[in-house]
Amino acid sequence: SQQGEEDPQALSIQEGENATMNCSYKTSINNLQWYRQNSGRGLVHLILIRSNEREKHSGRLRVTLDTSKKSSSLLITASRAADTASYFCGSISGGYQKVTFGTGTKLQVIP
Amino acid sequence: GEEVAQTPKHLVRGEGQKAKLYCAPIKGHSYVFWYQQVLKNEFKFLISFQNENVFDETGMPKERFSAKCLPNSPCSLEIQATKLEDSAVYFCASSQPFVETGGTDTQYFGPGTRLTVL
Repeated sequence: SQQGEEDPQALSIQEGENATMNCSYKTSINNLQWYRQNSGRGLVHLILIRSNEREKHSGRLRVTLDTSKKSSSLLITASRAADTASYFCGSISGGYQKVTFGTGTKLQVIP
Repeated sequence: GEEVAQTPKHLVRGEGQKAKLYCAPIKGHSYVFWYQQVLKNEFKFLISFQNENVFDETGMPKERFSAKCLPNSPCSLEIQATKLEDSAVYFCASSQPFVETGGTDTQYFGPGTRLTVL
C-alpha cells in the first residue's frame, strides 16, 4: 500500500517553542487524521480534518489542509515536554475507509 | 465501552505456533479495522469489517491470517503457523459511519497487541 510522507522525520525543540510537522499524500482524500504515539504505546487521535475544510484547531493544535498540494500540516504551539512523541498523519480515501499512514515525525521537546 | 480494548497486551509464540488476538470495539461503532505496525513506524492495513461482514480484506496475507467479527463477541485476528516476520504490534481501530458522506468518521485505536515470534 502507498504510504504518505512526513517531514521532518525527526524534530528536536525547546519547551515553549512551536513545532510544525508536514504530511503529503498521494490520492484524493475523504478526510485526514493526525495521531500521536508515545513510545511503545497506542495511537491517540488528535484531529480529523475533512477534505472540504482548510483549517482546524484544538487547544494548542492547529491543522491545515491543502488539497491542491495534497498536503497537511500539524502545528503544536507552546510545546511541552509531554508532547514528546511520534506524530502520524493518516489519510482516508476511496470507499473502503482504510487509513494510509505517513512515515511519522518523531518530536522531542527538551525541558 | 468508550475505548477500544485489545487483548492480550503481549503475546510470545514460537515459529509455527498459532496466535490469536482480540479486539472489542467502542460500543455503537460498526466498523472495525486491523493494522500491523512494524519497525515502530510503518503501518500496514490488514482487514476491516462493517458489523460482522468483511468490508475490505486487501491487506490480509490470506494463507495464514484470518479474522472474524461475530455478534456479541470480541473481534479476533488469528495467525496460523506464525513466522518471524509476523513480529509486530497489531492495532485494532473502530469507527462509526459519517452520515453525510456514507463514509467513516474518526478511527479510534486500541493500545495494540505486541506479538513476538521467536
